[in-house]
Amino acid sequence: AQKITQTQPGMFVQEKEAVTLDCTYDTSDQSYGLFWYKQPSSGEMIFLIYQGSYDEQNATEGRYSLNFQKARKSANLVISASQLGDSAMYFCAMREGARSQGNLIFGKGTKLSVKP
Amino acid sequence: EAQVTQNPRYLITVTGKKLTVTCSQNMNHEYMSWYRQDPGLGLRQIYYSMNVEVTDKGDVPEGYKVSRKEKRNFPLILESPSPNQTSLYFCASSFLLADNEQFFGPGTRLTVL
Repeated sequence: AQKITQTQPGMFVQEKEAVTLDCTYDTSDQSYGLFWYKQPSSGEMIFLIYQGSYDEQNATEGRYSLNFQKARKSANLVISASQLGDSAMYFCAMREGARSQGNLIFGKGTKLSVKP
Repeated sequence: EAQVTQNPRYLITVTGKKLTVTCSQNMNHEYMSWYRQDPGLGLRQIYYSMNVEVTDKGDVPEGYKVSRKEKRNFPLILESPSPNQTSLYFCASSFLLADNEQFFGPGTRLTVL
């Protein structure tokens, strides 16, 4: 079974609108971390946002917010006011277990295209 | 500037010719790891290291070796590359006890003919 599922291979959004990228995860650990990364066409991996499993508040970083629903095991990324530069691949990832284990398990990604 | 560097950025080689991809970080991170990225598969971890002289296998270690003789460097070694190792490789690092962000290198695109 996949640990990280991103069900949207590709998405389109109109510039200036908000968009939600879906991510569900599967773990039996109580302590885990959830990450979102952006990969533009140039190839680098850009860290966007992090949510710890014990964090009570949803994480926010500028235009990015993480809609964390622990009971549903979902960690959707919300991008507000989309910009053309947001066009990229977006990966959801999870770190399971204690902090000393840093392996990130990645989903297969969602390709976001922002239309002018 | 805090960063993870990889060299080379691009490499075309032939089957069986040993190669090394270097990774270096200047943030004094204990944790370093290597991932490969293939279309439709996301990123998969190859090897990781929690500190000097401490390395362990990730999800797809076959055909790869690593070493961690110094804290800042974590080279990836392909002793006898094969075409199925054609991929985009990323090195990443983080603090061991504060890994809410992993810093990624710029990637190395490897083609094995």
